[in-house]
Amino acid sequence: AQTVTQSQPEMSVQEAETVTLSCTYDTSENNYYLFWYKQPPSRQMILVIRQEAYKQQNATENRFSVNFQKAAKSFSLKISDSQLGDTAMYFCAFNSGGSNYKLTFGKGTLLTVNP
Amino acid sequence: NAGVTQTPKFRILKIGQSMTLQCTQDMNHNYMYWYRQDPGMGLKLIYYSVGAGITDKGEVPNGYNVSRSTTEDFPLRLELAAPSQTSVYFCASSSTSGGGETQYFGPGTRLLVL
Repeated sequence: AQTVTQSQPEMSVQEAETVTLSCTYDTSENNYYLFWYKQPPSRQMILVIRQEAYKQQNATENRFSVNFQKAAKSFSLKISDSQLGDTAMYFCAFNSGGSNYKLTFGKGTLLTVNP
Repeated sequence: NAGVTQTPKFRILKIGQSMTLQCTQDMNHNYMYWYRQDPGMGLKLIYYSVGAGITDKGEVPNGYNVSRSTTEDFPLRLELAAPSQTSVYFCASSSTSGGGETQYFGPGTRLLVL
C-alpha cells in the first residue's frame, strides 16, 4: 500500500521569503501522480501543483514549484515570495493512476506566513 | 460555474440519528468521491463512483452508504450516527480521464455527533 509522509507538522516563514515543504512517499509503482493541495482556514481544498512521475521536469505554477526526486521518493514544494494568503495547511497526495482513483494524503503541514 | 457544492455546511446529530450529506457538481465529471478528514489527519476515501449507477468502497466505508442516480449528484448517507463519525466530509469530482486526474473539492461539511 502506498504511504505519504509529511515530516513537518508546522512551519513559518516571513512574508516575501522562500519556504520548502517536505514530502516523501512509498510505492512500488513506476508510473504515478503526485499533488500538493492547499487548505486555507475556509477549509476548501485547492490544487496547488501536480506532477506526473514519468516526466523528469519539475512542475511549476507561478510562485510554486516542486523538487521531484523519483529515486529518493521525495516530492517537496517550494513557495517563493511568500504572501500572507499562502497561510494554510498543505497536503501532499499520491495517486497510482490507471484505474486507481484513490488519492492517498499525508497528514499535512501547517504553514504560517508572518508579516 | 459553481464547481462542487455541498450542503449543509455544518450539522449536529444525536447518536443514532440519520442524515444525508448532499454533493452536486456542474462540471460534467463522471468520477465523484467522498472523503472524511479527522483532526490532524489527511483525507481518507469513504466511497467513490465512476459514473451514474456505479459506486465502490474506499478505505473507510463502514457506517456509510452512497447512491449515484445522476452524473451531477452523489449523496452520502449516514444511517446510525456514531461519535466516531464526527469529522469534516469532503466531496470531490474529476474528469473522465480516470486515475491521475486532478480532483476538485467542495467546501466540506462539518459534522458533530453527540
